[in-house]
Amino acid sequence: EADIYQTPRYLVIGTGKKITLECSQTMGHDKMYWYQQDPGMELHLIHYSYGVNSTEKGDLSSESTVSRIRTEHFPLTLESARPSHTSQYLCASSVFGGEDEQYFGPGTRLTVT
Amino acid sequence: LAKTTQPISMDSYEGQEVNITCSHNNIATNDYITWYQQFPSQGPRFIIQGYKTKVTNEVASLFIPADRKSSTLSLPRVSLSDTAVYYCLVDTGRRALTFGSGTRLQVQP
Repeated sequence: EADIYQTPRYLVIGTGKKITLECSQTMGHDKMYWYQQDPGMELHLIHYSYGVNSTEKGDLSSESTVSRIRTEHFPLTLESARPSHTSQYLCASSVFGGEDEQYFGPGTRLTVT
Repeated sequence: LAKTTQPISMDSYEGQEVNITCSHNNIATNDYITWYQQFPSQGPRFIIQGYKTKVTNEVASLFIPADRKSSTLSLPRVSLSDTAVYYCLVDTGRRALTFGSGTRLQVQP
């Protein structure tokens, strides 16, 4: 069982609010990722990090931002939530190397009203 | 990144063997082939990974021909709980993985 956690699991929030989705892992993994997935649709990579102080944008443009101040923590922030941000957000981590098995958290289902 | 192509959906019955083939014509020398499984409302879960020939674990087998331009995930004797989306990915592991549309496997009783 992977030790990667996401909070909250579910969030309903009004338009314009600032929100932070938390992701933590206790496996000491260097690489961490954020994916966005609508129900029944593909996962889209929105952010990733190779390690502390390293963040990169993914394949899907996102208005969210991330930070990586500690190895185990990779929060995602939306400064002003909009209905178009309604989706499931999945965090993952992996060891930095060629055999890149990713461990996923349970996800945060965000609804912006 | 190598692009993968796999069937959109497959149907099977309990107890049958299921083979899902993935094409990756532009696979690079350093790329590994990895398969993930995803249930509704959950994150994907690693199933198996290989570089060439055959890999087997307690869940599945992965067959990779010599040219590595395709791979086949084999699930022996599927059950209803194997109903899920299966993703084939190729990557060097030097950057984040790209998940495609996956194959929706529906197992019937």
